[in-house]
Amino acid sequence: EAGVAQSPRYKIIEKRQSVAFWCNPISGHATLYWYQQILGQGPKLLIQFQNNGVVDDSQLPKDRFSAERLKGVDSTLKIQPAKLEDSAVYLCASSNRDRVDSPLHFGNGTRLTVT
Amino acid sequence: KQEVTQIPAALSVPEGENLVLNCSFTDSAIYNLQWFRQDPGKGLTSLLLIQSSQREQTSGRLNASLDKSSGRSTLYIAASQPGDSATYLCAVSGSARQLTFGSGTQLTVLP
Repeated sequence: EAGVAQSPRYKIIEKRQSVAFWCNPISGHATLYWYQQILGQGPKLLIQFQNNGVVDDSQLPKDRFSAERLKGVDSTLKIQPAKLEDSAVYLCASSNRDRVDSPLHFGNGTRLTVT
Repeated sequence: KQEVTQIPAALSVPEGENLVLNCSFTDSAIYNLQWFRQDPGKGLTSLLLIQSSQREQTSGRLNASLDKSSGRSTLYIAASQPGDSATYLCAVSGSARQLTFGSGTQLTVLP
């Protein structure tokens, strides 16, 4: 099966600019996650979708971050305006929540550098 | 709030050694526990998933154990190879299937 697709792979922007990341999950996976991974740390959940509804966005900095999942498939994560501390890898993951033994499948991530 | 700790942060071993990576978590009310591998510049690859009702899972040279009551898991790697060099991450899942990750153990296997 095709894996989780993310683009772009790399992005360099200046602080206060805006940026958007795109994710296409594995076909049939209803649950989609966005994680932020700062260098040297484990990934931190930003937002979880079930189909196109938000399950948890408690750790999403809503003053600058937004995310949407159209038609329950693809998702975009946007940062506006970016800060230096947003420099990180943004990982998208998907899972088949209906299967109790279904692990999360991650994309390769987008590495964001804010200068 | 769930917290996950991994010890050691880094480990270097000669090829062929058996090794153990440790993971501890503060809230035992978990749905499952997963071990992931992360290569530089790559996403995470799921290695093993242990449901909360299970004690261990095995895949090839890997064996993961879970002691939910004490909040601990170990990942055992037998006969390590240079290709095993990567960062290994432990993550626990609550009922909403959200994962809380540890900071990982960076493993280097020397030829």
